[in-house]
Amino acid sequence: AQSVTQLDSHVSVSEGTPVLLRCNYSSSYSPSLFWYVQHPNKGLQLLLKYTSAATLVKGINGFEAEFKKSETSFHLTKPSAHMSDAAEYFCVVSKDSNYQLIWGAGTKLIIKP
Amino acid sequence: DVKVTQSSRYLVKRTGEKVFLECVQDMDHENMFWYRQDPGLGLRLIYFSYDVKMKEKGDIPEGYSVSREKKERFSLILESASTNQTSMYLCASRWTGRNTEAFFGQGTRLTVV
Repeated sequence: AQSVTQLDSHVSVSEGTPVLLRCNYSSSYSPSLFWYVQHPNKGLQLLLKYTSAATLVKGINGFEAEFKKSETSFHLTKPSAHMSDAAEYFCVVSKDSNYQLIWGAGTKLIIKP
Repeated sequence: DVKVTQSSRYLVKRTGEKVFLECVQDMDHENMFWYRQDPGLGLRLIYFSYDVKMKEKGDIPEGYSVSREKKERFSLILESASTNQTSMYLCASRWTGRNTEAFFGQGTRLTVV
């Protein structure tokens, strides 16, 4: 069965330092993968998506993610964290059979001043 | 600008009440979804609809029903609210296809007392 695993429930970084949020997936075929962000008391917003065009995907707010098939990973990175990045981040895979979305449990990103 | 609108941001209901959560999208999407979000559990799919009057159960349909009489509107119904249904409810809509992203409403925080 397909699944997505976010390896950290919480990640804490200092402002100005790099961010790494880890995501592993399982999928039989070439997957479609997404990262969403949810700021406190706000709805979910798409950060970026991978659809097999390029393995390095750039998203909004300076985030990017690299698809690595050999590692079945789709980690989210940002070179320099900003206080406004504090939010919860969700990794999502599109199901092979019916294209439904399978959600990771989320990673809370905490930014220390 | 694309829009998914949920009728209420906050609701407080009593145990045993029938509760209606409404969602409207203006993008002509075929697919609409109701999710429940609880801390540490990510998003769990309650029901989805792929066309008017069509619906399918998600992962946690017990205690819920849905209605889709018009393409733009998808309603979630709690037949007899219970305290364990206290949660954040998120509505989403999406085109059909594995590469398509979901667009979300702002969420309804429901408290059942």
